Amino acid sequence: GESVGLHLPTLSVQEGDNSIINCAYSNSASDYFIWYKQESGKGPQFIIDIRSNMDKRQGQRVTVLLNKTVKHLSLQIAATQPGDSAVYFCAENTGGFKTIFGAGTRLFVKA
Amino acid sequence: DSGVTQTPKHLITATGQRVTLRCSPRSGDLSVYWYQQSLDQGLQFLIQYYNGEERAKGNILERFSAQQFPDLHSELNLSSLELGDSALYFCASSRTGEGQPQHFGDGTRLSIL
Repeated sequence: GESVGLHLPTLSVQEGDNSIINCAYSNSASDYFIWYKQESGKGPQFIIDIRSNMDKRQGQRVTVLLNKTVKHLSLQIAATQPGDSAVYFCAENTGGFKTIFGAGTRLFVKA
Repeated sequence: DSGVTQTPKHLITATGQRVTLRCSPRSGDLSVYWYQQSLDQGLQFLIQYYNGEERAKGNILERFSAQQFPDLHSELNLSSLELGDSALYFCASSRTGEGQPQHFGDGTRLSIL
């Protein structure tokens, strides 16, 4: 596959460690946030979402934290595996139907 | 497999030409979104349709247009192509629209020579 975003911020973690990917969003009025994972040669894949009336939501091995005070979103991946290597995007829904994606973070998992 | 189908997977053409990209949303999804992804700009929202009607517009150039048909598939038309239009073009769909995750196809890679 081909690489996307060669100049993305990069996070490198050891297999089995926990990963934390951070995102600063832009609009204080945004009320819905989503994390996507994009593997090489594929489209973004939905991981987990959270609404603005929550500050934490857990899925399978993933947790999203929302801090509205500082407009910050994070994705925590527990026991990171080689298959988690990808580019991760946060996205915010600004009300209405428009979704804004962040620049993305590339996660490398070292075996 | 997201259930969103995009064709063609690859498209190579020349400057000044016109192309049409096609998207079939997931079964039951009424909203279709188009995005452009280039190496230096990430995912840029272009336009969204809901049940045949335009609902939101992003940074879509006047040379680009889109529509959603009664069977809910969508087409993105790119005309007077320039070298800078080379990018991945993604289609996504969701059940209705606001406040729902979008499901993406695997994109069309457009190369302008």
